[in-house]
Amino acid sequence: GAVVSQHPSWVICKSGTSVKIECRSLDFQATTMFWYRQFPKQSLMLMATSNEGSKATYEQGVEKDKFLINHASLTLSTLTVTSAHPEDSSFYICSARDLGTVGYTFGSGTRLTVV
Amino acid sequence: AQKVTQAQTEISVVEKEDVTLDCVYETRDTTYYLFWYKQPPSGELVFLIRRNSFDEQNEISGRYSWNFQKSTSSFNFTITASQVVDSAVYFCALSEEGNFNKFYFGSGTKLNVKP
Repeated sequence: GAVVSQHPSWVICKSGTSVKIECRSLDFQATTMFWYRQFPKQSLMLMATSNEGSKATYEQGVEKDKFLINHASLTLSTLTVTSAHPEDSSFYICSARDLGTVGYTFGSGTRLTVV
Repeated sequence: AQKVTQAQTEISVVEKEDVTLDCVYETRDTTYYLFWYKQPPSGELVFLIRRNSFDEQNEISGRYSWNFQKSTSSFNFTITASQVVDSAVYFCALSEEGNFNKFYFGSGTKLNVKP
């Protein structure tokens, strides 16, 4: 079945640095990928829709300059958290839709801790 | 207003008990999809089911069953003869006709199945 690989699974970084998270569709092409954020014991909130070859579409309230999204190929989208602060600490998870299936496949998530 | 409500924050049962997870949704669209996902401690979201708004037929898959009732805007999930491996957070989600790619997740229900 469709598999989405997300890397790294966890990362700790210092405040002020930038962190890049990768989301890869392993056995299918994904023209569109999605980035979600999940706070502890809370639900997932869609941050942005990543479109291959064009700019990402951000949800209201999400800072596009802080959360840079690049979808350079049909199998890879990256989320870069720029100038990270402790409040950016969260669980980030991506998803992609394989047109051959009925659901959206989610990655395993990345736990970001900013110290 | 929250589009998907999962009123049960956490449920604890003993193995072999049946358990029902509630999900109530809100939408003005006539065409929409409802989903259930399982999030084990490892973090990834595992797709369980998708149901479109025109299909109210209940579904059974092994020990899992789903009851979709448009009259009460509910899409409840029942696990029969629960097992320890069922322990996870379960999310109900909605996507609407305006943008089927955008998921509205409930806050999740944490299920603890004790041996």
